[in-house]
Amino acid sequence: EVQLVESGGGLVQPGGSLRLSCAASGFTFSSYAMTWVRQAPGKGLEWVSAISGSGGSTYSADSVKGRFTISRDNSKNTLYLQMNSLRAEDTAVYYCAKGVNYLPIYGIDYWGQGTLVTVSS
Amino acid sequence: DIVMTQTPLSLSVTPGQPASISCKSSQSLLHSDGKTYLYWYLQKPGQPPQLLIYEVFNRFSGVPDRFSGSGSGTDFTLKISRVEAEDVGVYYCMQSIQVPFTFGPGTKVEIK
Repeated sequence: EVQLVESGGGLVQPGGSLRLSCAASGFTFSSYAMTWVRQAPGKGLEWVSAISGSGGSTYSADSVKGRFTISRDNSKNTLYLQMNSLRAEDTAVYYCAKGVNYLPIYGIDYWGQGTLVTVSS
Repeated sequence: DIVMTQTPLSLSVTPGQPASISCKSSQSLLHSDGKTYLYWYLQKPGQPPQLLIYEVFNRFSGVPDRFSGSGSGTDFTLKISRVEAEDVGVYYCMQSIQVPFTFGPGTKVEIK
């Protein structure tokens, strides 16, 4: 059974940093792309960042480029999102999601339960 | 960026009746590999999204056969043949042919 468990969310001040983690199990982690998607309170889904199975290719939304960094540790079956220079508009539930295949283009099949990030003073 | 639009944005359906949601993309989602990278997700209240349909018309594992997807190029449709109470939530289409992946605004389905 595929399981994705996010952690690391919380309350942070504007300009601060946070690192999200996603522990994966139930599949061969290194064989699949992984993605972060966020959802602001009461709003729709916004793609944030994706990474290939090897970690050699990464992709990010313009809204987070230069501030957020996606990475993965295939030896630990863990996905990360390092978030710096956080803004109020980054407040959202952040979902970790498993790719259908090795590259992100093949879409997303499983989602974690999400972790809430609140940016406020 | 590819813009995804959905209609209607909300739908109230009597149990047992059909429902249909349209999704349009601003660019063709047909890849040179012959596949079309259009997905449908359902987000039930208080839950993360769950995959219903991948690559336009393929039902994901465990998805009831009352759900079906169709379309090509830039125009796509999700149909529920007979709506059940457990189908309430927000339905999203998503494209993954081009980064950034983009989602439609969502269609909220309620039961009458």
